[in-house]
Order: sequence, then C-alpha cells, then structure tokens
Amino acid sequence: AQSVTQLDSQVPVFEEAPVELRCNYSSSVSVYLFWYVQYPNQGLQLLLKYLSGSTLVKGINGFEAEFNKSQTSFHLRKPSVHISDTAEYFCAVSANKFYFGSGTKLNVKP
Amino acid sequence: KAGVTQTPRYLIKTRGQQVTLSCSPISGHRSVSWYQQTPGQGLQFLFEYFSETQRNKGNFPGRFSGRQFSNSRSEMNVSTLELGDSALYLCASSRVAGVAYNEQFFGPGTRLTVL
Repeated sequence: AQSVTQLDSQVPVFEEAPVELRCNYSSSVSVYLFWYVQYPNQGLQLLLKYLSGSTLVKGINGFEAEFNKSQTSFHLRKPSVHISDTAEYFCAVSANKFYFGSGTKLNVKP
Repeated sequence: KAGVTQTPRYLIKTRGQQVTLSCSPISGHRSVSWYQQTPGQGLQFLFEYFSETQRNKGNFPGRFSGRQFSNSRSEMNVSTLELGDSALYLCASSRVAGVAYNEQFFGPGTRLTVL
C-alpha cells in the first residue's frame, strides 16, 4: 500500500525567506510524485511533478522539488517566498490510484 | 482546452435534503474522481469513475453515490444531508485510470453548506 506523510501542518515564514515543505512517502511499487497548491476557496493546481529522469524538478512560481529515492522523500523548496505564496500545499503519489498527504499551510508574513 | 468544470460553485441546503453535484472533465479524459475536503479531515477520496464504471471507492457511507455518463461527465449525489457533509467537493479528471502515471486535473470545487 502507498501512503504520503507531510510532516508539517503549518509553516510560517517571512517574505523573501527560503522555505522547505517536507513530504515522505511509502510504497512497494514505483510511484510518480506531485505537488499541488490550493489557494483559498479554489481547486488544486499542479505545481510540479516527478515522473523520471533528473531528480531535481522545477515547477511554476519558482518552486522546485527533489526526489530522493533512498529517503523516500520529495521535499518542496523555494529560495525566496512572496506573500502571494500563502496557500495550502499537497504532496501526492500516483501508483494505480492517487494518494494525497494531509497538506501543509504555508503562511508568508510581511 | 477547457479545464474541469463543476456546477454549482456554491450550494446551501438544509439537513435531510439531498443534493446533486456535477462535474465535466477535460475533453478526452475518461476518468473522474471525487474528493471531499474539510478543515478537520483534509482531502478525502470519495470515488473514481472510468468509462461509466466505479473503479474505486473511499470509506464513505452509502448516502454518497455517484455516476458517470457516456460523455464522461459525472455527478455525485448525497442523500439525507447531515451538518457534517458541509465541505468543499472537488472533482478531478485524468485521461485513464488504473495505471501508475495518472496525473489529475482539478476543478474549482463546489462549496456545500448544510444548515
């Protein structure tokens, strides 16, 4: 069975500071990995995805994530956050179905 | 290409009523999944439909049901509404189902409030 763990439910950070949102997964099969962002009262929007190849994946809005197979992690990073990055972020894995983490609320303070 | 559309966007019902939500997937997508999102429980999988057949089902009571039409549009129905059914209901579509790579595209959601 597959599962996804997002270790931090909330992450407060000041504007222009770097941020890392952590995601660990467990799976007995090869998986594909995704990060989604959800702004208030909206659906989920794809930030980036790892399918194969380079373990460093770049997404929209300056976000990137690194796939670490040995640590079964797929942490999301941004070197300098903006107020507009305040949202909830979901990590997900796809095996033969989709599995979502519980979400991390990123709160960017001025 | 148009994205996933959900109607209505907002809905207010009272306890005991029933409700039907609609989802139109991206053109060419044949799989539709439904999720319930609440502040307490987060994002919970309801069910997935592919080619008019339910493929997977989450752990929800039988009051929650769904169907998919031949044009891949999907509806979900909740009967005998309870206060706890108040949530954002999200629909996601994908090209296929049951394969390892299966990127999902989400609609804006339907905000259901049960009074």
